[in-house]
Amino acid sequence: AQSVTQPDIHITVSEGASLELRCNYSYGATPYLFWYVQSPGQGLQLLLKYFSGDTLVQGIKGFEAEFKRSQSSFNLRKPSVHWSDAAEYFCAVVYSSASKIIFGSGTRLSIRP
Amino acid sequence: DGGITQSPKYLFRKEGQNVTLSCEQNLNHDAMYWYRQDPGQGLRLIYYSQIVNDFQKGDIAEGYSVSREKKESFPLTVTSAQKNPTAFYLCASSIGRGETQYFGPGTRLLVL
Repeated sequence: AQSVTQPDIHITVSEGASLELRCNYSYGATPYLFWYVQSPGQGLQLLLKYFSGDTLVQGIKGFEAEFKRSQSSFNLRKPSVHWSDAAEYFCAVVYSSASKIIFGSGTRLSIRP
Repeated sequence: DGGITQSPKYLFRKEGQNVTLSCEQNLNHDAMYWYRQDPGQGLRLIYYSQIVNDFQKGDIAEGYSVSREKKESFPLTVTSAQKNPTAFYLCASSIGRGETQYFGPGTRLLVL
């Protein structure tokens, strides 16, 4: 079945440390891939997306993600986190054009001062 | 500013009552969506609409209804048949299905 997995429910990192959030999708031809961020009580904000082309994608707020077809992964990275990055992060996948988007269950990021 | 608005921010429902959540977009998007978010469960699709006067059930449509009379508006009614309505409700829109979705700020529904 088509799915997307975020294996880490909750991650805590120190402010200034690097961050990597994992996302794996189930199968298939190159999907469309997204990362969203959600602050408490707010809607989701698009961080970045991958449709085709360069597999390293730059997003807003200093985030980047790399599509690795061989590993069916689209991990989100940031070299140095800030306290304001504390939020819930969702990976999402669309497996073919005009099909529905599938969201992962989210990873909650906490920042240690 | 283009975007998606949802109102109200908080909504209280009494037993047996229907309530309607508003979603408006001025992005000229054809597709609109309603999601329910519960703690630890991510987003679940309730209904979606790809064009005016047309909509389809998502994964958890029971106890909900929608209409799409205008391109800009996609209201969601939580009916009395929905026995566990307490949740955070998110509206989204996209140019077309499968395209990037943009989200509103959400409505939190609580039961009195």
